[in-house]
Amino acid sequence: DTGVSQDPRHKITKRGQNVTFRCDPISEHNRLYWYRQTLGQGPEFLTYFQNEAQLEKSRLLSDRFSAERPKGSFSTLEIQRTEQGDSAMYLCASSLASGTVNTEAFFGQGTRLTVV
Amino acid sequence: AQTVTQSQPEMSVQEAETVTLSCTYDTSENNYYLFWYKQPPSRQMILVIRQEAYKQQNATENRFSVNFQKAAKSFSLKISDSQLGDTAMYFCAFRHTGTASKLTFGTGTRLQVTL
Repeated sequence: DTGVSQDPRHKITKRGQNVTFRCDPISEHNRLYWYRQTLGQGPEFLTYFQNEAQLEKSRLLSDRFSAERPKGSFSTLEIQRTEQGDSAMYLCASSLASGTVNTEAFFGQGTRLTVV
Repeated sequence: AQTVTQSQPEMSVQEAETVTLSCTYDTSENNYYLFWYKQPPSRQMILVIRQEAYKQQNATENRFSVNFQKAAKSFSLKISDSQLGDTAMYFCAFRHTGTASKLTFGTGTRLQVTL
């Protein structure tokens, strides 16, 4: 396993278009997180899944954002009707939480979104 | 809600010297974890060091060590024998031990290691 993989690495889109990002976590990890990082800031939590269940969503996740993890493996994050304020790095992370085991989060390289 | 504050936006250190990055946090929780993550330019974020709040002993990982002051809610990172490869953004992060396990990050410190 090569770690958390995100696709695409870069995306430029016109305002108003829809975009979808994909995250493939480390295979045995049951938790998957999405964060957003704007320039000069630390990552901000968006949402997380345990297996296929979306257990928490941040207030940052407006109704234009939707995330899925249909089979408890890869996840997608879709942004509808993109706005310039959506321009950011979108980071995915995964971890394993089982019984007394709770590993740290491993991050992917991110998808940099630019809305023009 | 938890907050994490890093008051040093940028720092510079010469190769082989020691540098300390500061972090303070605010929480009403008693059980939590604290982390330092490193984000090199255009590369993914990686964990540098982790501290459990219930442990009094400061965590150490090779050249990296922390000074954890629970009462003061302070969690600084010391990098000894700095190397050029240590150049990166460093983020302090908090996670409580509840089921959510999401991370709350500070705004980061950009560290430049110079010759």
